[in-house]
Amino acid sequence: RKEVEQDPGPFNVPEGATVAFNCTYSNSASQSFFWYRQDCRKEPKLLMSVYSSGNEDGRFTAQLNRASQYISLLIRDSKLSDSATYLCVVIEEYGNKLVFGAGTILRVKS
Amino acid sequence: NAGVTQTPKFRILKIGQSMTLQCAQDMNHNYMYWYRQDPGMGLKLIYYSVGAGITDKGEVPNGYNVSRSTTEDFPLRLELAAPSQTSVYFCASSRKLAGGPYEQYFGPGTRLTVT
Repeated sequence: RKEVEQDPGPFNVPEGATVAFNCTYSNSASQSFFWYRQDCRKEPKLLMSVYSSGNEDGRFTAQLNRASQYISLLIRDSKLSDSATYLCVVIEEYGNKLVFGAGTILRVKS
Repeated sequence: NAGVTQTPKFRILKIGQSMTLQCAQDMNHNYMYWYRQDPGMGLKLIYYSVGAGITDKGEVPNGYNVSRSTTEDFPLRLELAAPSQTSVYFCASSRKLAGGPYEQYFGPGTRLTVT
């Protein structure tokens, strides 16, 4: 089983739609969680951290479910500019190594 | 701040050739990392360093070497290039957010083709 698994997609949605991605992780000792965004042929950039209490940043909401070992990302009112690959990232227990999922492709169409 | 810089941006190597991918950061971060990303795949950790003079293997270290003589620089060396090393290589550095987890900053990547 992969350490971090994501549905690769692609998710094709119209502008204004709400879309959600899930990610599961296998190491129950994982301590920190993130969503990164990666545009085509570019480096990954941090989108948001994921906290146990859930957190929101504008149109983006991230949730963590430790009991089921999954992380989610919800994007509301999708924009064309949201088209990208979204990477789920987990930090293992010692805090200095990130483990990346393979990414979920989102395509927002007008 | 320039952030994390990588050179070269692109390179084509013949099988058996050697090269060094350069990475530098000007944020005084202790942690630095090398990842590779194959098409349609996530990033895999090659090597990482928690400070000058200290390096450790990641998930896929075979065929690579690193050194960390200064806080700023973390070069990645390929000694005998093989087609399986065709990939995009990302260097990253990180800091620990106050009271929170680590945040990583990535360089723009080096696209390497081995033929």
